Parts: sequence; structure tokens; C-alpha cells
Amino acid sequence: DIQMTQSPSSVSASVGDRVTITCRASQGISSWLAWYQQKPGKAPKLLIYAASSLQSGVPSRFSGSGSGTDFTLTISSLQPEDFATYYCQQANSFPSFTFGPGTKVDIK
Amino acid sequence: QVQLVESGGGLVKPGGSLRLSCAASGFTFSDYYMSWIRQAPGKGLEWVSYISSSGSTIYYADSVKGRFTISRDNAKNSLYLQMNSLRAEDTAVYYCARGMDGSGWFFDYWGQGTLVTVSS
Repeated sequence: DIQMTQSPSSVSASVGDRVTITCRASQGISSWLAWYQQKPGKAPKLLIYAASSLQSGVPSRFSGSGSGTDFTLTISSLQPEDFATYYCQQANSFPSFTFGPGTKVDIK
Repeated sequence: QVQLVESGGGLVKPGGSLRLSCAASGFTFSDYYMSWIRQAPGKGLEWVSYISSSGSTIYYADSVKGRFTISRDNAKNSLYLQMNSLRAEDTAVYYCARGMDGSGWFFDYWGQGTLVTVSS
């Protein structure tokens, strides 16, 4: 099975900061990666799919990059509503769709 | 608008059974792959099961294989998860999620979740 790791596990940031979260796969997954945002008590929300494609309706301050084993989610200017936990998910090792452990973004 | 509404969660004893349902609306349900994904309290996300649009292709995570059964009724716009031989480690919020058009293994819409608690 493909294992997903994320770093950091948590980050404290201020409104307006640029935030970068990294996701690493234990083996190459091409561009079969998605990013989700989850707020407490809510369902996850798809932000990025296929490593770098922005889901419809998601603000352009979110961007994704990478391929193979190393991926990045960047929030260019953190907004109050962006404080949440972010998960990556691989979809290369069909049908086992593993998620990363999550990165919590909280207020500095 | 797309809506997914889960139901059927609750408290069940170890070894017991439960059937979850997910009612879909706002899209052509029969065109989309669907999955169940769960989240144990305070933990991360775990994909549980997947079913193709017609129901002909089904997959399970190793952790639930042989105990859980996914199914769908396209006439009723509904997805189901029959859970048998439940264990404490199955305690989680269970979400139904829609696979994206053209890439059914990215999940573009999720329900609000239903909590399953397995405890004596």
C-alpha cells in the first residue's frame, strides 16, 4: 500500500501569511493527488485535484503543485476562513485511496 | 444543488450490525461512482468502499473486507453500507462521497456524515 505523509503536522500562521503544506507519497503516484480542507464538525471539501487543478468555486489563493512523490499545497494569503485541517489523498493505487494524516492550520 | 444526506448511524454492540443510507439529490445519481469514507473521533480520513455507477464494480478497504457490503439503488438515488460484525475500531463518522465526473477517485461532494459508535 502507498503511504502518505504530510508536513508539518500543524502550523501557526497569521492572516495574510503565505502557507505551504507538503505531502509525500511512499512511491510515485504521478499526478493522482487531491487536497481537501476540513473544518471542525464539517465534511471535507475538495480544493485541488490531479495535483494542480483548482476545483470549481475554490478561491485562487489556493494552488497545488508536484508530481511523482512530492506535492505542495500553497495558500498565497491566508484568510480567516482558511483556518482548518488539510488532507492530501492519493488515487494512483486504485482501489486503495489513502489519505495523509492531515495538517492543522491555526491562528498564530 | 448537489446534496448527500446520510442516515442510519447509532450505538451498536460489538458483533452487531448496522445499515447506513445516503440519499442523493441535485445530480444524476446513476452517472457517478460513489464511496464511503470514515473518520474515527479525532483522527484522519479512511476510505472504506467504492461502487461504480452501475454497481457492477465494488471495492473495499482491507479493514472492512468480508464484513461490510456496499450497494446502491439508482432508481431511489440511494447508496447503502451494510456493516456486520462491527468492532470498536469501526467507531467513526461515516461520510458518503461522490466521485468526480471523469475521475471517480477524487471526491467532489460529501454528505454531513453519520456517527457510528460500537461499544458495549
